[in-house]
Amino acid sequence: GQQLNQSPQSMFIQEGEDVSMNCTSSSIFNTWLWYKQDPGEGPVLLIALYKAGELTSNGRLTAQFGITRKDSFLNISASIPSDVGIYFCAGQRTSYDKVIFGPGTSLSVIP
Amino acid sequence: DGGITQSPKYLFRKEGQNVTLSCEQNLNHDAMYWYRQDPGQGLRLIYYSQIVNDFQKGDIAEGYSVSREKKESFPLTVTSAQKNPTAFYLCASIPDGQRTACFGQGTGHTVV
Repeated sequence: GQQLNQSPQSMFIQEGEDVSMNCTSSSIFNTWLWYKQDPGEGPVLLIALYKAGELTSNGRLTAQFGITRKDSFLNISASIPSDVGIYFCAGQRTSYDKVIFGPGTSLSVIP
Repeated sequence: DGGITQSPKYLFRKEGQNVTLSCEQNLNHDAMYWYRQDPGQGLRLIYYSQIVNDFQKGDIAEGYSVSREKKESFPLTVTSAQKNPTAFYLCASIPDGQRTACFGQGTGHTVV
């Protein structure tokens, strides 16, 4: 089946540093989504991307829809302790296709 | 308030028993999904339903069953045939024509 790959698998950074993570696929997607999951909770949507090349920001978070439609990037600027969690990318080929999730990037922020 | 609710939050059961996890949404969403998450792992799709009375197997459907008799409800039964049932289970729903999934808070399921 279709798979998404996320890198890095885990990150340990100092508070205040910027973070970059990406998500790649062997298939083309029309939608890319980024979610954050806190321990013991369900994922929460951070950013949704619908067009190739689209760059969208949500506070300190910025995500981009790759022009090949096979990848997406998430950047977090000036990290803070509450950024800790697992970040998932998700993709969908069409509005009626199933949503596929990547394995996640675990982020730890050292105060 | 509108939302998606999973219950119970935690569930312990004995080996050999079946158990049903509840997922209810009052968002009027058409599509509902069940995912399984193992410690330190991503989300794996168990079953999904695009409309009432219809559902499809995901990547790891063996040992699970679902029903979709009502738009608001998508219960998941973890049967005794599921070899590794201990996991965190997440339910999600997606509105018709849109692509952003809303998740419940999850159910932690442990076999003792």
